[in-house]
Amino acid sequence: AQTVTQSQPEMSVQEAETVTLSCTYDTSENNYYLFWYKQPPSRQMILVIRQEAYKQQNATENRFSVNFQKAAKSFSLKISDSQLGDTAMYFCAFMSRDDKIIFGKGTRLHILP
Amino acid sequence: DTEVTQTPKHLVMGMTNKKSLKCEQHMGHRAMYWYKQKAKKPPELMFVYSYEKLSINESVPSRFSPECPNSSLLNLHLHALQPEDSALYLCASSHYHGGEETQYFGPGTRLLVL
Repeated sequence: AQTVTQSQPEMSVQEAETVTLSCTYDTSENNYYLFWYKQPPSRQMILVIRQEAYKQQNATENRFSVNFQKAAKSFSLKISDSQLGDTAMYFCAFMSRDDKIIFGKGTRLHILP
Repeated sequence: DTEVTQTPKHLVMGMTNKKSLKCEQHMGHRAMYWYKQKAKKPPELMFVYSYEKLSINESVPSRFSPECPNSSLLNLHLHALQPEDSALYLCASSHYHGGEETQYFGPGTRLLVL
């Protein structure tokens, strides 16, 4: 069975700093997808970034980038030039071929002014 | 446009009430999902509809009854709920089920059962 582990329950950084959220996962599959979702206090789940396991190139979306290490089963999210609006719960998620998403327990990120 | 809408935003109901949650998307997505999320926990999958047919039921109690009237609408009918069913109910959609497509979430309905 697949598992997703986020080892940082909560983090705080100053505005404009760079922060990295950790995620590891376990699977025996070779083809899968990984996601980072953001859930601000409004509780809407917002897709931040998506990575296909067969792609070696790390995905980037503006200030958000990932460090995908397939052999190590690691998928960390880097937020550059953090902004107050980045304050949210961040979920790492794994999707296999049956389209079921397995979420990690989340990391609560606080951006401090 | 990746918008999924949900109504109502908030719902308070008694244990003997019958109510419905509604989810709508106009992106042409053919797969729609219901998730339940308790506070400070990740979402848990409840149901998956693919091409308007129920394809996955994650052993959800029968007091939750999903319905997909058409490709744009997904309802969740609620009857005789328990206080422990209080949670955020999230709807999501994707292009289709089985293609490892990204799921886009709605804003959720916050349900309180008294």
